[in-house]
Amino acid sequence: GEEVAQTPKHLVRGEGQKAKLYCAPIKGHSYVFWYQQVLKNEFKFLISFQNENVFDETGMPKERFSAKCLPNSPCSLEIQATKLEDSAVYFCASSLTGGGVKDTEAFFGQGTRLTVV
Amino acid sequence: DQQVKQNSPSLSVQEGRISILNCDYTNSMFDYFLWYKKYPAEGPTFLISISSIKDKNEDGRFTVFLNKSAKHLSLHIVPSQPGDSAVYFCAALTQGGSEKLVFGKGTKLTVNP
Repeated sequence: GEEVAQTPKHLVRGEGQKAKLYCAPIKGHSYVFWYQQVLKNEFKFLISFQNENVFDETGMPKERFSAKCLPNSPCSLEIQATKLEDSAVYFCASSLTGGGVKDTEAFFGQGTRLTVV
Repeated sequence: DQQVKQNSPSLSVQEGRISILNCDYTNSMFDYFLWYKKYPAEGPTFLISISSIKDKNEDGRFTVFLNKSAKHLSLHIVPSQPGDSAVYFCAALTQGGSEKLVFGKGTKLTVNP
């Protein structure tokens, strides 16, 4: 597609429940990024993929967060046993190359608002 | 420690005047800088970028200036229009590295008619 598609738009989970978010990158884009935005503050990098391979996972909380980008499937971000502090908007972005070259900048989806109650 | 700083949380300008949004960075490894614009309940939209080998990039009403020695960049919007009202995020990355964007906290621009 011509835009990054994130589903669902909103997700409400009770504390301790699992949450799974999906992202379909723009067709032909090799890189996928996940960012977390808490309380409209800055975007915190979580993880990136180059095709289906993890490229950089330095931002991922290791215990409860996992992510995948499998061929012919939307990418996913999964949070096991959600906590109140996981409440945030999760943005997915994709780029043609790494994003540091003109005209290959990262394009963002509309985000998934996760509310943990 | 914040590597990209936008020290003005908000800015209000009159329609037709110039808007200047500022951004400072601390990491000298950053070599590519971007500005994103964000409306409520939407994802950030890419606006303009600049490589560290340049000091200016212009695209219509938007111009980004980079001062490497001061580790400072600014976004100029002229003339400002009410539709420019949004939150503007400055972001930086290191090419050939992890390619992740490091964002500032954003500046909310309000353009008054």
